[in-house]
Amino acid sequence: DSGVTQTPKHLITATGQRVTLRCSPRSGDLSVYWYQQSLDQGLQFLIQYYNGEERAKGNILERFSAQQFPDLHSELNLSSLELGDSALYFCASSVEAGGVTEAFFGQGTRLTVV
Amino acid sequence: GQNIDQPTEMTATEGAIVQINCTYQTSGFNGLFWYQQHAGEAPTFLSYNVLDGLEEKGRFSSFLSRSKGYSYLLLKELQMKDSASYLCAAELPQAAGNKLTFGGGTRVLVKP
Repeated sequence: DSGVTQTPKHLITATGQRVTLRCSPRSGDLSVYWYQQSLDQGLQFLIQYYNGEERAKGNILERFSAQQFPDLHSELNLSSLELGDSALYFCASSVEAGGVTEAFFGQGTRLTVV
Repeated sequence: GQNIDQPTEMTATEGAIVQINCTYQTSGFNGLFWYQQHAGEAPTFLSYNVLDGLEEKGRFSSFLSRSKGYSYLLLKELQMKDSASYLCAAELPQAAGNKLTFGGGTRVLVKP
C-alpha cells in the first residue's frame, strides 16, 4: 500500500458526461501529480499541484481540469467525455516539488466511456 | 522537449538475466527513475540514479551515464513474478515543475 488513495476504483459513464476523480496523497506529501494511461500506452503526465497551486502542466486537454484543496487532496474533472478518454488515471504524490524525490502512485481509477 | 525511448517488449527465461535499456533526451535532468508496473496496477518504485554509475538493490541494478543520456535496468535471477512492464522516467528540474516524464515502458515476459 503506497498510502495514496484514489476513488472511485472503477467508473463507467456515457459520452458527453462529466466525472470527478479524487486523490488523497500520502500524509505529509505536498505534491500531487495526475497521469493518464490508455490501453498499452505509457504514462502521460497531465498536471501537477504543489501545496494548492498548479506547478506544471503536461498534455492535459482543455476539457480536463484539476485542483488541490487546502487539505491537500486533489480532484481531476473530466468533462464532455469522449470514447478516447477511456483510460486508467493515476494520481501520485511526493514530499517536495523540487529535487529528486520518489513519487508514490495510487491504485488508479479505471474510466470507461461508453 | 523531452524524449525517452525504451524497447517495447523483451522475453527471457526464468533464472536468466535481462537488461532493459533507456535513452533520453531532455532539456533538463535531475535523475532517472525505474518503476515496475504489473498489468492494471499502480507503478511501484524500483530505483533511481542521480550520479553516473551502478546502483545495486538485490536482484535489481540500475546504471546511468549522464553524458550519454543512457540508463539500463538489470534484472538478475529472473522469476515468473518479474513479468511486468518496466518504466524508465526522467525527473525534470524544479523550474519545469519537477515532473516525472515516462517512457512507453518495456513489457518483460518471463518464460519457464
